Amino acid sequence: GNSVTQMEGPVTLSEEAFLTINCTYTATGYPSLFWYVQYPGEGLQLLLKATKADDKGSNKGFEATYRKETTSFHLEKGSVQVSDSAVYFCALSPLKTSYGKLTFGQGTILTVHP
Amino acid sequence: NAGVTQTPKFRVLKTGQSMTLLCAQDMNHEYMYWYRQDPGMGLRLIHYSVGEGTTAKGEVPDGYNVSRLKKQNFLLGLESAAPSQTSVYFCASTPRAGADTQYFGPGTRLTVL
Repeated sequence: GNSVTQMEGPVTLSEEAFLTINCTYTATGYPSLFWYVQYPGEGLQLLLKATKADDKGSNKGFEATYRKETTSFHLEKGSVQVSDSAVYFCALSPLKTSYGKLTFGQGTILTVHP
Repeated sequence: NAGVTQTPKFRVLKTGQSMTLLCAQDMNHEYMYWYRQDPGMGLRLIHYSVGEGTTAKGEVPDGYNVSRLKKQNFLLGLESAAPSQTSVYFCASTPRAGADTQYFGPGTRLTVL
């Protein structure tokens, strides 16, 4: 079956530090990959996505590259801000046969201190 | 354009009580989903719908029922609540399957005593 594994959290950083949150997946075929973010007290919202190998998704300074050879989709940001404090979820959708269903990782809590 | 809304935002039930959670979307999306979020487990799919009048089971459907009588609404029912159903419930919708974004509601926090 499909699965997503994220690095254990929580992650605590100082403002302007470099961020990496690891994500690896198991899936048949060529899934689409997503990062969703959940700010305190809110629902999830899409941060970025990639639909095929070697694609790079980017948004708000965050980036992630779809690496088929390592089945990974690690999230990076060069300089985090306090406002980036949130829970980050890696997810996959197998496409076509899955009716858009998402499989999520367990989530990584990020706290950024001034 | 309100997006995806959920009612209620909070609810406390006693074991054995029933309730219905309402999800509404005003984006004319075909696909709708109900997830539960538990600490350390991410989001897990309960049920989903690919169009008005259709429903299907997700990963953790036991103890829940759903209905999609109108395209814009997706109801999640608990017939006899159990403490194991204490969770945060999220509804989501998307225009179609594939690489499209899922749009999430703000969530319903349910506690079963």
